[in-house]
Amino acid sequence: GAGVSQSPSNKVTEKGKDVELRCDPISGHTALYWYRQSLGQGLEFLIYFQGNSAPDKSGLPSDRFSAERTGGSVSTLTIQRTQQEDSAVYLCASSLRGTSGIVYEQFFGPGTRLTVL
Amino acid sequence: KQEVTQIPAALSVPEGENLVLNCSFTDSAIYNLQWFRQDPGKGLTSLLLIQSSQREQTSGRLNASLDKSSGRSTLYIAASQPGDSATYLCAVLGNQFYFGTGTSLTVIP
Repeated sequence: GAGVSQSPSNKVTEKGKDVELRCDPISGHTALYWYRQSLGQGLEFLIYFQGNSAPDKSGLPSDRFSAERTGGSVSTLTIQRTQQEDSAVYLCASSLRGTSGIVYEQFFGPGTRLTVL
Repeated sequence: KQEVTQIPAALSVPEGENLVLNCSFTDSAIYNLQWFRQDPGKGLTSLLLIQSSQREQTSGRLNASLDKSSGRSTLYIAASQPGDSATYLCAVLGNQFYFGTGTSLTVIP
């Protein structure tokens, strides 16, 4: 597709269950980002993938959160043993990132709204 | 740690008015600054990207400026329309992207 896609669009789960959120970036984009947006809050950076480099996981709030990016394309964000405070909209973005350090604009997906009961 | 602040948090203007949204950041060591709009329940739509070496970018009725030394950016919207109603977010890229909490704009017909 032409843009970043995310699935599912909505996910309701029970406390303690694991969830997987998927992101399909724009084809050819080397950089992929995950963010979390809680109600009334700004965007919180979670993790960043760039090409084949080790991901920047500095934003992950706990070891219950993990992410992988297979084949340099699709990414999955996994939250284990979900808690009510994990309820938020999870947004994925992708961009080109030049070797000279130039970072091109980010394009966002529509997000996955996660509700933990 | 980089902190990004947007003022005002909310703004309501009559249709046709020109307006300015403000974004300030504490660490001037940035690669670029990007402005987005977010409609309720939707993802973010990129409006303008300013590289650190640039001073401004224009797209249609939008003009964004960047003053790295003072840690400020403004988004100017000319001749506002009801369709401009949304939340506007700025983000700066240092070692990662940092977002402000946004300005909620309402343009009254």
